[in-house]
Amino acid sequence: NAGVTQTPKFRILKIGQSMTLQCAQDMNHNYMYWYRQDPGMGLKLIYYSVGAGITDKGEVPNGYNVSRSTTEDFPLRLELAAPSQTSVYFCASSYSASVFSNEQFFGPGTRLTVL
Amino acid sequence: TQLLEQSPQFLSIQEGENLTVYCNSSSVFSSLQWYRQEPGEGPVLLVTVVTGGEVKKLKRLTFQFGDARKDSSLHITAAQPGDTGLYLCARSSNTGNQFYFGTGTSLTVIP
Repeated sequence: NAGVTQTPKFRILKIGQSMTLQCAQDMNHNYMYWYRQDPGMGLKLIYYSVGAGITDKGEVPNGYNVSRSTTEDFPLRLELAAPSQTSVYFCASSYSASVFSNEQFFGPGTRLTVL
Repeated sequence: TQLLEQSPQFLSIQEGENLTVYCNSSSVFSSLQWYRQEPGEGPVLLVTVVTGGEVKKLKRLTFQFGDARKDSSLHITAAQPGDTGLYLCARSSNTGNQFYFGTGTSLTVIP
């Protein structure tokens, strides 16, 4: 099992450019999440999905969009990149929301810089 | 927001020393998770505590959930350089669909 994979690992964008951060998991997990982590901070939830076709906003959704057409994939779209979106982005997945099976498995992250 | 406060923010200790880090909230939560994140990697789950007063041990790491389920602590005995990393606590929302992370404790263990 590859677990949770993310691409790209690094990216530099110019202000106003768009890009998609890719995330895939091969554990047949229903739940998937996108977080951002700024220096010296914990993780902030951007969007989450409880299953294919279902997405919902987290704490900091502005400037981002997601889709979940399959169980495996959960891409994050930045439409008009801004310097405030410079961050490290982590994708995660879990089997369910039950406290006994909600361990989140994280990908290695995408480091994004917007100049 | 479901605020989780972690302290201390930074901790630098010598190998072999003991330490405790804390995770506090003004709200009661049903469960709490502790993660460790190494530089350049994603967080990895260490433990989930569910019951008030619960104590769990993972080798040299001891996790405690407060009786009132508003706080938790992580104690490391005889710290080793391999314990270096960012320690994060996290709680789920009432529906279980969202997670809220603390700001973390950055631990450096000096050989």
